[in-house]
Amino acid sequence: DIQVTQSPSSLSASVGDRVTITCRASQTIGIYLNWYQQKAGKAPRLLIYIASHLQTGVPSRFSGSGFGTDFTLTISSLQPEDFATYYCQQIYSSPWTFGQGTKVEI
Amino acid sequence: EVQLVETGGGLIQPGGSLRLSCAASGFIVSYKDMNWIRQAPGKGLEWVSLLQSSGRSDYADSVRGRFTISRDHSNNSLYLQMNTLRADDTAVYYCAMSSGGCMGSSGCLAYWGQGILVTVSS
Repeated sequence: DIQVTQSPSSLSASVGDRVTITCRASQTIGIYLNWYQQKAGKAPRLLIYIASHLQTGVPSRFSGSGFGTDFTLTISSLQPEDFATYYCQQIYSSPWTFGQGTKVEI
Repeated sequence: EVQLVETGGGLIQPGGSLRLSCAASGFIVSYKDMNWIRQAPGKGLEWVSLLQSSGRSDYADSVRGRFTISRDHSNNSLYLQMNTLRADDTAVYYCAMSSGGCMGSSGCLAYWGQGILVTVSS
């Protein structure tokens, strides 16, 4: 199975900060990586698909980049509603696997 | 509007069986790729199973041979039959619809239900 490792596992930030979360795959996965946001007690929400495509309805302060094994999710200016846990997911091969999550806290 | 509503969860003893349902509205389940994903309490996300519109199914190794994914066109619903349940199957189970534009993959999970808790304990 392809392992995906996120870093950091948690971070503290303030409103207006630029935040970057990274995801590393255990083997090359091209651009087959997605990012999700999950708030406490809620279902995950797709933010970025295929490495860099912004899902409909997601604010443009979210962006994704990367290719191969190394990927990043960037929030250009953190807003109060962005405090949540973020997961990456590789969809290059089955079984699709998720990173362990990055909790973004105040 | 796309909506997914899971039902059928609850407390079950180890070794028991349970069937989860996911009622869909706003689209036709048979025409989309559908998934089950679970999340153990306080843990991360784990993909469980996929049922493609073609009828092809796939499973995580942890559930293969014990869980079966299916759908019912007349009820517009997705199901997960879970047999020989174990304590480590305890989780919130989500059904999710794959979106198009995913470069040929079924893995872009654009729509999710609210989740249903399954607790396996004696």
